[in-house]
Amino acid sequence: GAVVSQHPSRVICKSGTSVKIECRSLDFQATTMFWYRQFPKQSLMLMATSNEGSKATYEQGVEKDKFLINHASLTLSTLTVTSAHPEDSSFYICSARDRFTGELFFGEGSRLTVL
Amino acid sequence: TQLLEQSPQFLSIQEGENLTVYCNSSSVFSSLQWYRQEPGEGPVLLVTVVTGGEVKKLKRLTFQFGDARKDSSLHITAAQPGDTGLYLCAGGPFGNEKLTFGTGTRLTIIP
Repeated sequence: GAVVSQHPSRVICKSGTSVKIECRSLDFQATTMFWYRQFPKQSLMLMATSNEGSKATYEQGVEKDKFLINHASLTLSTLTVTSAHPEDSSFYICSARDRFTGELFFGEGSRLTVL
Repeated sequence: TQLLEQSPQFLSIQEGENLTVYCNSSSVFSSLQWYRQEPGEGPVLLVTVVTGGEVKKLKRLTFQFGDARKDSSLHITAAQPGDTGLYLCAGGPFGNEKLTFGTGTRLTIIP
């Protein structure tokens, strides 16, 4: 079946640094990808919708200058957490929608820990 | 934002017992999906229900979509330790491809 890969799966960084997380659709093309954030013992909260070739659409309360999203190709979206702080520590999950079938597939998640 | 409330939030039962998890909203959804998520992993799709009143079975799991397309339930028969996990419902409103997740139900099956 279709696979969505996230990299890195785990990352630890110092406060104030920036971290980039990649989301790749391995065997299908995705014009739309979604980024979620999940705190411990909580559900997934949609952060933004990533559209290939255009600007991302951010959910209310999500700082677009802090969470930079780039969707430069049909198989790759990146989320960059800029000037990370400990409160940004979370599990970040992406999903990608197959442009032809409309099916939605989820990545394995990336755990960010900011020290 | 369309809210999906799940109940119960936590459930811990003995192996072999039956259980039902509910997913409720005041909004109408074009479809509802159920996912199970293990710690440190992404959610895995269990089922998608599309038609109001639809019932789908997946081995010991039975999923139902409400007639008004505002709610759904997941019933597990003879629960097993392997059923342990976080169960999430998720809905997609008409004309919008964003998926909103429910509040989640953390299920623990005790051997």
